[in-house]
Amino acid sequence: GAVVSQHPSRVICKSGTSVKIECRSLDFQATTMFWYRQFPKQSLMLMATSNEGSKATYEQGVEKDKFLINHASLTLSTLTVTSAHPEDSSFYICSARDETEVVEQYFGPGTRLTVT
Amino acid sequence: GENVEQHPSTLSVQEGDSAVIKCTYSDSASNYFPWYKQELGKRPQLIIDIRSNVGEKKDQRIAVTLNKTAKHFSLHITETQPEDSAVYFCAANNWENEKLTFGTGTRLTIIP
Repeated sequence: GAVVSQHPSRVICKSGTSVKIECRSLDFQATTMFWYRQFPKQSLMLMATSNEGSKATYEQGVEKDKFLINHASLTLSTLTVTSAHPEDSSFYICSARDETEVVEQYFGPGTRLTVT
Repeated sequence: GENVEQHPSTLSVQEGDSAVIKCTYSDSASNYFPWYKQELGKRPQLIIDIRSNVGEKKDQRIAVTLNKTAKHFSLHITETQPEDSAVYFCAANNWENEKLTFGTGTRLTIIP
């Protein structure tokens, strides 16, 4: 149980285009999902917290107009990187919290984004 | 906000020996402390966690200790094996704000 999937696993896009990443909780309902970014050899940095049916809460320094987050259902959250630039190239990981549990987060397998 | 420091950044250990990774946190309200193992290009995997009402927890070769007064917690891996080689992250969380704050990571290498 407690499986989180992400799609796509890898994506290459051209500078200036937009990319959408999906995060799904497969066997539980997730009222809260989290989006992280991880640069090579660095730690996971929280970008935003998304709650089903409401606007995402972004961490300081994260541009909400550039990183659009939608959490339309209890099992799906999407992150859209708009007008991507090479510096947006990173490993993006989502996690989801089972609404029946207190704190544990379940991580997706991550999406490797490369912007050329 | 919470700040989590982790040491050392790299650690090499002879196979069979023990490895210890230490973390400190700043927010006394933090009450949940998970440890994750991450292999290259993969998701973080929860290997053990501890809540603030417990001082120590053990699961086979892995143990975590928590000192709330000093605001630090440690991961202990005994009888290390080559498959223990990975990057390990500590994290701290306050149940009320839900956010995990990660440490900077420790690259553990087990030398056969």
